[in-house]
Amino acid sequence: GQNIDQPTEMTATEGAIVQINCTYQTSGFNGLFWYQQHAGEAPTFLSYNVLDGLEEKGRFSSFLSRSKGYSYLLLKELQMKDSASYLCAVMDSNYQLIWGAGTKLIIKP
Amino acid sequence: GAVVSQHPSWVICKSGTSVKIECRSLDFQATTMFWYRQFPKQSLMLMATSNEGSKATYEQGVEKDKFLINHASLTLSTLTVTSAHPEDSSFYICSAPEGQGIHEQFFGPGTRLTVL
Repeated sequence: GQNIDQPTEMTATEGAIVQINCTYQTSGFNGLFWYQQHAGEAPTFLSYNVLDGLEEKGRFSSFLSRSKGYSYLLLKELQMKDSASYLCAVMDSNYQLIWGAGTKLIIKP
Repeated sequence: GAVVSQHPSWVICKSGTSVKIECRSLDFQATTMFWYRQFPKQSLMLMATSNEGSKATYEQGVEKDKFLINHASLTLSTLTVTSAHPEDSSFYICSAPEGQGIHEQFFGPGTRLTVL
């Protein structure tokens, strides 16, 4: 079966760095997405990785290792507004998105 | 980025009634739109893929006669929850990919449905 695993919840301090991991097992691979979702709102796109390596976009970076079925989202200089759920999703061979359950990130002052 | 709108943002209805939710791509055309349902503290669950000009493709376990999908134009897809029951209360979200690429999907703001 297809499976996406990510931690349920993480806590970090304002100004610090946090890394959210995602491992996946899917039938085929056409890219991995990270989305941010605030409570009661729809997800917003953060990043897309299809090749191995690190993609940096401002305070956020995303890493992919296809051979290991592994990705992480790195958030630097954490701000209170970064408190949200972070969803990992993999596009399989049928171009369907398989979603992880999300990681709730709590930022403390 | 591209914009997708949903209407209504929230709706409360009585059990047994039908509710229509609209999803519009405002500044691009979408031959395909996706409908998701999300229960509290759970991930997005794909319900169906809406295809302009043809029948929707439903995921396993989703009743097509209960969740009617109509993709009337390249900018509008509607989801009708027929004979709604309290267990249908959920957050319904649509999304659409811009263009033919397989990059990001743009999500609507979601519709909170509460069935009394």
